[in-house]
Amino acid sequence: GAGVSQSPRYKVAKRGQDVALRCDPISGHVSLFWYQQALGQGPEFLTYFQNEAQLDKSGLPSDRFFAERPEGSVSTLKIQRTQQEDSAVYLCASSLVTSGILTDTQYFGPGTRLTVL
Amino acid sequence: GNSVTQMEGPVTLSEEAFLTINCTYTATGYPSLFWYVQYPGEGLQLLLKATKADDKGSNKGFEATYRKETTSFHLEKGSVQVSDSAVYFCALSDPYNAGNNRKLIWGLGTSLAVNP
Repeated sequence: GAGVSQSPRYKVAKRGQDVALRCDPISGHVSLFWYQQALGQGPEFLTYFQNEAQLDKSGLPSDRFFAERPEGSVSTLKIQRTQQEDSAVYLCASSLVTSGILTDTQYFGPGTRLTVL
Repeated sequence: GNSVTQMEGPVTLSEEAFLTINCTYTATGYPSLFWYVQYPGEGLQLLLKATKADDKGSNKGFEATYRKETTSFHLEKGSVQVSDSAVYFCALSDPYNAGNNRKLIWGLGTSLAVNP
C-alpha cells in the first residue's frame, strides 16, 4: 500500500558526472510522469510513459536526458554529463489509468533533489 | 500553447481569515483543472479538481469553481488554519492529448503562511 517512492532523495554530483534517478510507482499504475522543478518554480513536464512505452518525451531539455521503464513498473531518469543548470528537484508521478475524458489523479513521490557543483 | 498563471506570493494571513488565491489559464478546448498542495517537507498532493465548466471542486474546506467565461479557477477557503501553511499550485491537463497523456501544466506556486 506504499505510495510513489523515489531514490535517492538527495544527490550531489560534480559537473560532468552521470546520474541515475529511480522511481517506484504505485503497483498497477499504468501512467508514469517525470517532472523537473527548479527552485521557486512550478514543476515542468519532462516525459510520459504508458506501461513500458514512452509516448511523450517532448519536455526533456536535451539529449543528455534519457528515461526508461523497461518492464512497465520502475522507471529511471538518467542525466549524462550533468551541468549546473540541471540542479533541480526531479518529481515522479503515477496514475492508475486514464481513458476518454476521465481524469485520474496523479500521485507524486517525494522527489530527488539534484545539486550539480 | 497551454499555460497557467497564478498570483504571486507569499501570502500571509491570520488564522480564521478568508483566503483567495487567483488562478487563470490559457488552453485550447476544455482542460481539466487542479489545485495541488505541498506541505513543508512533503510531496505534492491533489487538493481538488474540476473537469468541466461550472464544476466546483472542494476538499478540506477549500473550494474552486471552473469558470470558462473568465478562464479562471480561483482557490478559496473561508477560514484558514495554521495547518494550511503550504505552497499551492494550480495546474491543468488536456484530456484529449494523444495516448491518454495527462501531463500537467503548472503555475509557479503560491506560498501561504498562516499565523496564529
